[in-house]
Amino acid sequence: QSVLTQPPSVSAAPGQKVTISCSGSSSNIGNNYVSWYQQLPGTAPKLLIYDNNKRPSGIPDRFSGSKSGTSATLGITGLQTGDEADYYCGTWDSSLDVVFGGGTKLTVL
Amino acid sequence: QVTLRESGPALVKPTQTLTLTCTFSGFSLSTSGMCVSWIRQPPGKALEWLALIDWDDDKYYSTSLKTRLTISKDTSKNQVVLTMTNMDPVDTATYYCARIPFLQSGAFDIWGQGTMVTVSS
Repeated sequence: QSVLTQPPSVSAAPGQKVTISCSGSSSNIGNNYVSWYQQLPGTAPKLLIYDNNKRPSGIPDRFSGSKSGTSATLGITGLQTGDEADYYCGTWDSSLDVVFGGGTKLTVL
Repeated sequence: QVTLRESGPALVKPTQTLTLTCTFSGFSLSTSGMCVSWIRQPPGKALEWLALIDWDDDKYYSTSLKTRLTISKDTSKNQVVLTMTNMDPVDTATYYCARIPFLQSGAFDIWGQGTMVTVSS
């Protein structure tokens, strides 16, 4: 059971937009930065978003992040088949653990 | 170019101690704010954070696993070592090391490719 809650799966058609939610508490998301990771099949995770809404160099602006209270959201626009992957949110917890969500599998129909 | 690479045994027996080494390049673990961490992922399951060591040699451990984990660094060799005692088949997973350039952010910006560890007799 992950500390952060994500939907197990989401799907959308190519070119469409999708959002992935990440729900936590005041012990984690509510008082810390959230980051998002993309894990393509058989590969290591890759940082997509850090500090709630910042994109590392090289990450296209189709990917966006936001945070409100104890929840965060990853948005992906202009979906491509290459975006099919597992997506994870992560943040610090007041217990001084880094906590992750259970992951969301994105299917581009 | 920043890179991290994990190394260690692919197979360990139950009750044995696992020792994994993360060898990195392209940055210094002496830089203020810099950290290296270990994360694992059982087959088909989610990411699980294990431990972190920062530039000041402060160490952070997963609350649920801290009695079994030890993390250390050798700045001169650009290495971070994780030991996990009393290995069990449920510890079978891919083990990743990753960099956090700013401790407060908690964001892992560069990951190693991972090393698969199987626990079996």
